Amino acid sequence: NAGVTQTPKFQVLKTGQSMTLQCAQDMNHEYMSWYRQDPGMGLRLIHYSVGAGITDQGEVPNGYNVSRSTTEDFPLRLLSAAPSQTSVYFCASSGTGHLPLTFGPGTRLTVT
Amino acid sequence: SQQGEEDPQALSIQEGENATMNCSYKTSINNLQWYRQNSGRGLVHLILIRSNEREKHSGRLRVTLDTSKKSSSLLITASRAADTASYFCATAPYNNNDMRFGAGTRLTVKP
Repeated sequence: NAGVTQTPKFQVLKTGQSMTLQCAQDMNHEYMSWYRQDPGMGLRLIHYSVGAGITDQGEVPNGYNVSRSTTEDFPLRLLSAAPSQTSVYFCASSGTGHLPLTFGPGTRLTVT
Repeated sequence: SQQGEEDPQALSIQEGENATMNCSYKTSINNLQWYRQNSGRGLVHLILIRSNEREKHSGRLRVTLDTSKKSSSLLITASRAADTASYFCATAPYNNNDMRFGAGTRLTVKP
């Protein structure tokens, strides 16, 4: 099993550009989520999904969109990148929302 | 706002000593989990304690939970240099599926 994979590993965007961070898992997990990690602030939940076709907002959803068309994939879209979105983004999955999360390796995003 | 808050923010000890870090949270929970993050990497799950449990052990890890005080502690015994990492608590609320993390405790174990 590859677990949770994320692409790209690094990305630099200019303000106003859009992009999609990819996340995939091969563990047949129903629950998937996106977090951002900023220095000294731990992880903040952006969006999550409890199954294909179902998504919900977390703590900091503004500026991000998600969709869940398959169990395996949960892409995160930045609509119009801003410097405040410079962060490390982690995707995670689990069998349900209350079970231990398996994290991907992260995507380091810089917006200039 | 974040659900869990760890204390202390940073902890530095010698190899062989015990490390204790604390977590406080705000709402009713289904369970509480502890994770470790080595620099620049994804988080790794360490241990889960359910709301009806008071103490749990896993190897050199001991976790306690006090739901009346909405707090938990993680004890790492006989620490090693390889335990150097950031440790986060995360809470799984009863009434929804969004797991929230605290800001973490940065542990440094000196050889």
